Amino acid sequence: GENVEQHPSTLSVQEGDSAVIKCTYSDSASNYFPWYKQELGKRPQLIIDIRSNVGEKKDQRIAVTLNKTAKHFSLHITETQPEDSAVYFCAARPHTGGFKTIFGAGTRLFVKA
Amino acid sequence: DAGVTQSPTHLIKTRGQQVTLRCSPKSGHDTVSWYQQALGQGPQFIFQYYEEEERQRGNFPDRFSGHQFPNYSSELNVNALLLGDSALYLCASSQLAGTDTQYFGPGTRLTVL
Repeated sequence: GENVEQHPSTLSVQEGDSAVIKCTYSDSASNYFPWYKQELGKRPQLIIDIRSNVGEKKDQRIAVTLNKTAKHFSLHITETQPEDSAVYFCAARPHTGGFKTIFGAGTRLFVKA
Repeated sequence: DAGVTQSPTHLIKTRGQQVTLRCSPKSGHDTVSWYQQALGQGPQFIFQYYEEEERQRGNFPDRFSGHQFPNYSSELNVNALLLGDSALYLCASSQLAGTDTQYFGPGTRLTVL
């Protein structure tokens, strides 16, 4: 069935370093890949998204890359700050029969000051 | 411009009871999706409503049902509650029949005792 795998489950970096979170998806027809940040007790907030006709997208310190052949996509956060500490979810929207979104299990990012 | 709102914020029920959760989409949005987020996991797609009809459904039993009203607001109903139904229930809205970016509400925390 449709599946999104996310790694690592936990990531700890020093302030100022970069953080990379990787995801793979199973449905090759997926065409939309959003990333959400969820702080403790709060709603998931969209931080960046990419569509299947684009290989890379950047927004200030955040960038996402997509490799459709390998069915991989990644989130890159540069110059990390303590306020980047949160749980990050990748997701994919399969194109088979509807518009549901499949989420990964999440990566808990700790940025140490 | 109000974002996605949900009510109630918290709810405590006992096994076997029934519950109704409510969602008002962001202004201009016509599609509502419901997700279940268990502790420490990513959101799991329950179903999506558009034009007052259930358009797609995830792997959830018939105990989970919903409704969308002419003003695009939505309800999620869960019958015969089980302990395993305890979770954060998130509503997400989008426009353009669900093809566009979706935005999450704050969620309803349901505890089943």
